[in-house]
Amino acid sequence: QQPVQSPQAVILREGEDAVINCSSSKALYSVHWYRQKHGEAPVFLMILLKGGEQKGHEKISASFNEKKQQSSLYLTASQLSYSGTYFCGTSKGFGNEKLTFGTGTRLTIIP
Amino acid sequence: DTGVSQNPRHKITKRGQNVTFRCDPISEHNRLYWYRQTLGQGPEFLTYFQNEAQLEKSRLLSDRFSAERPKGSFSTLEIQRTEQGDSAMYLCASTTGRSYEQYFGPGTRLTVT
Repeated sequence: QQPVQSPQAVILREGEDAVINCSSSKALYSVHWYRQKHGEAPVFLMILLKGGEQKGHEKISASFNEKKQQSSLYLTASQLSYSGTYFCGTSKGFGNEKLTFGTGTRLTIIP
Repeated sequence: DTGVSQNPRHKITKRGQNVTFRCDPISEHNRLYWYRQTLGQGPEFLTYFQNEAQLEKSRLLSDRFSAERPKGSFSTLEIQRTEQGDSAMYLCASTTGRSYEQYFGPGTRLTVT
């Protein structure tokens, strides 16, 4: 089953924060986050492994709740370049197996 | 350019025709994946290879679809007797056996008329 993401779409002003959620009905070993801009290939953002630490860069971070089979992506002080569609991808393994992508969240940042 | 490349980038074909796409992964990446993406949806897994061995094939993939990776380097995806429902973006990704990140190519957009 495909992971469900929420919200489906969000519009933010530059500098605002956003949270994107990913929920799976199956037990997960890893969660991958990708961003895809219109007409382009998905670009890897980060991976969270079962039992691992919360990952992140300065303004983009993520968490993984293994018990709830959920992951959240946090974008702080959003920039125009953050616009795009965000997908979570789940894997039953380390992530070098197939990914099952979520329903997607379209993020639009306006000046 | 050392990224994943795919050819052609666009393909328009008539229903019933056969099409073949090519993917060149990043050098030394031993795992190669094919996904399909329709408008507004996330990529959907089709099949993947480790070197030349096809390890898994989606049940969604009908027998009209076949993929090969003959020498463990580039891969081809062939669709026989195309149908309008095959219209989609076909994405290829690659990774090393030890890496978690899948690097995606720009995709081949197929339009079946």
